[in-house]
Amino acid sequence: GIQVEQSPPDLILQEGANSTLRCNFSDSVNNLQWFHQNPWGQLINLFYIPSGTKQNGRLSATTVATERYSLLYISSSQTTDSGVYFCASSGAGSYQLTFGKGTKLSVIP
Amino acid sequence: DTAVSQTPKYLVTQMGNDKSIKCEQNLGHDTMYWYKQDSKKFLKIMFSYNNKELIINETVPNRFSPKSPDKAHLNLHINSLELGDSAVYFCASSLRQGYNQPQHFGDGTRLSIL
Repeated sequence: GIQVEQSPPDLILQEGANSTLRCNFSDSVNNLQWFHQNPWGQLINLFYIPSGTKQNGRLSATTVATERYSLLYISSSQTTDSGVYFCASSGAGSYQLTFGKGTKLSVIP
Repeated sequence: DTAVSQTPKYLVTQMGNDKSIKCEQNLGHDTMYWYKQDSKKFLKIMFSYNNKELIINETVPNRFSPKSPDKAHLNLHINSLELGDSAVYFCASSLRQGYNQPQHFGDGTRLSIL
């Protein structure tokens, strides 16, 4: 099955800083999603982005399917951005999401 | 208006017991899922149902049995609970199988086996 790798595994930011999280996948994908798991454990779907670029407020994501990676940008980070960010993907012909191990983000005041 | 709701939120029980977790979605989605998140936060799919029919059944012990009475509900029954079953179980839904769509997750059920 498809392999999904995320980097960095841990990230500590000062409030107001920007960051880029990376997701590499091992095969062609037809589905790429970014999730945020907040400190209360809730999983929130941030982006469905199998290709191209999307923006939602301070967050944006870009997927370059031909080069097998996706990036999540967080600008002007806030303490409420803390949590774990997951990338998940399914390969061609599959509808089963495989999750990466996540990037744990801590935003300190 | 909770989109995907799971009950209970917490479940603490003894080894060997049988327990169920319920999931309901009011999004009108056809496809529902169960995921397990272990202590290292790793998320793995267990089951997927499309319009009440099982379409994904990963390598999960047969002590776990999903049941979908209708397309808005997908319950998970676990027999003879073991220590290794301690985890957070998430229910999710998406519009329909065969189309790649965003998945929406419930808040999770934290299962602790004593």
